[in-house]
Amino acid sequence: AQKITQTQPGMFVQEKEAVTLDCTYDTSDPSYGLFWYKQPSSGEMIFLIYQGSYDQQNATEGRYSLNFQKARKSANLVISASQLGDSAMYFCAMREALIQGAQKLVFGQGTRLTINP
Amino acid sequence: NAGVTQTPKFRVLKTGQSMTLLCAQDMNHEYMYWYRQDPGMGLRLIHYSVGEGTTAKGEVPDGYNVSRLKKQNFLLGLESAAPSQTSVYFCASTSGLHRETQYFGPGTRLLVL
Repeated sequence: AQKITQTQPGMFVQEKEAVTLDCTYDTSDPSYGLFWYKQPSSGEMIFLIYQGSYDQQNATEGRYSLNFQKARKSANLVISASQLGDSAMYFCAMREALIQGAQKLVFGQGTRLTINP
Repeated sequence: NAGVTQTPKFRVLKTGQSMTLLCAQDMNHEYMYWYRQDPGMGLRLIHYSVGEGTTAKGEVPDGYNVSRLKKQNFLLGLESAAPSQTSVYFCASTSGLHRETQYFGPGTRLLVL
């Protein structure tokens, strides 16, 4: 079974600095997908970025990029030029196959990011 | 296009009471999922559906039942609520495309006293 590990329970960063949130994963499948979600205090789950195991380049979406190191089984999220609105809980997740094409997401425990002004 | 909606947003139950959480999606997605999120943790899968009329168990199914009578709706039932079911419940849907993420509803916060 897939496993996601996020070792940073909390991170404190000054506004406008870049921040890296760590994520390591474990899987025996050669084909897999990794996701990052943001959960602000309001509670909704907001999709940020996706990385496929066969993607040749690291994924980027605006200020978000994914530092994908396949050999080390890590998929760290990098947020450039952090903003106060980035303060939230961040979850790394991996897709796991179920029956008939269904796929569940396996989540890490999350990292609470606080941006200080 | 509302995406994924959940009703209710918040509910308080007494131990032993029953209730049904409703999830609706307007994206014509085949796959729908119910997750729960306990404090300080990521989401865990309760039940899921691969299409109208079909359901299957996830990793934490005990104490819950589900039904998918219509493609756009996925219902989660608690027959006899227990304090251990105090949690935030999220519904998600996807069309099943390889690179597609799951679209989450806003969540239902449930407190069982």
